[in-house]
Amino acid sequence: DVKVTQSSRYLVKRTGEKVFLECVQDMDHENMFWYRQDPGLGLRLIYFSYDVKMKEKGDIPEGYSVSREKKERFSLILESASTNQTSMYLCASSPGTGVFQPQHFGDGTRLSIL
Amino acid sequence: GQNIDQPTEMTATEGAIVQINCTYQTSGFNGLFWYQQHAGEAPTFLSYNVLDGLEEKGRFSSFLSRSKGYSYLLLKELQMKDSASYLCAVRDRSGGSYIPTFGRGTSLIVHP
Repeated sequence: DVKVTQSSRYLVKRTGEKVFLECVQDMDHENMFWYRQDPGLGLRLIYFSYDVKMKEKGDIPEGYSVSREKKERFSLILESASTNQTSMYLCASSPGTGVFQPQHFGDGTRLSIL
Repeated sequence: GQNIDQPTEMTATEGAIVQINCTYQTSGFNGLFWYQQHAGEAPTFLSYNVLDGLEEKGRFSSFLSRSKGYSYLLLKELQMKDSASYLCAVRDRSGGSYIPTFGRGTSLIVHP
């Protein structure tokens, strides 16, 4: 069974801090994704990666960056955290760009910026 | 981009049938996914449609009409544990990314 693990379930940080959210998947998937989920707005794509060291901007990349140095690990970085980045962050992976490739999600990190 | 619309909230009675609709507008349709998400948990994959028609999986079925830009998720013999958010996601091949875009989700409340 695919396992996507996010390093923290809950995280509290202060405005201006640099924040790292880590995600690891154990099924050798090519694609990895970072979303944020807010009430009434649904899941919005921040960044995705289809290979090691490759990254593509999603719909809302401003204020974020990512790193993928190894295939199994995809990190989301908040360079200087702001209160409007308080949200639930979900990591996902999928095995490729074939016709039928559902995403597998981690349990999420609920991030609060004070 | 895509415009995906689904109802915000629905309520139903245990044992009943409920249909959750999803409409979309996309230039290069390449598949539609349904996910279930319980409060505080990860979304989990339920079904996938790429051709017109009905896909049945136990108590859950999903239907697609590409010409109408319309899908529904049908849940039969509702159980209390079916109370969750149901997410519709559409893949679009235009731009070459094949990344699904999610609707805002439908919160389903099942009551006794």
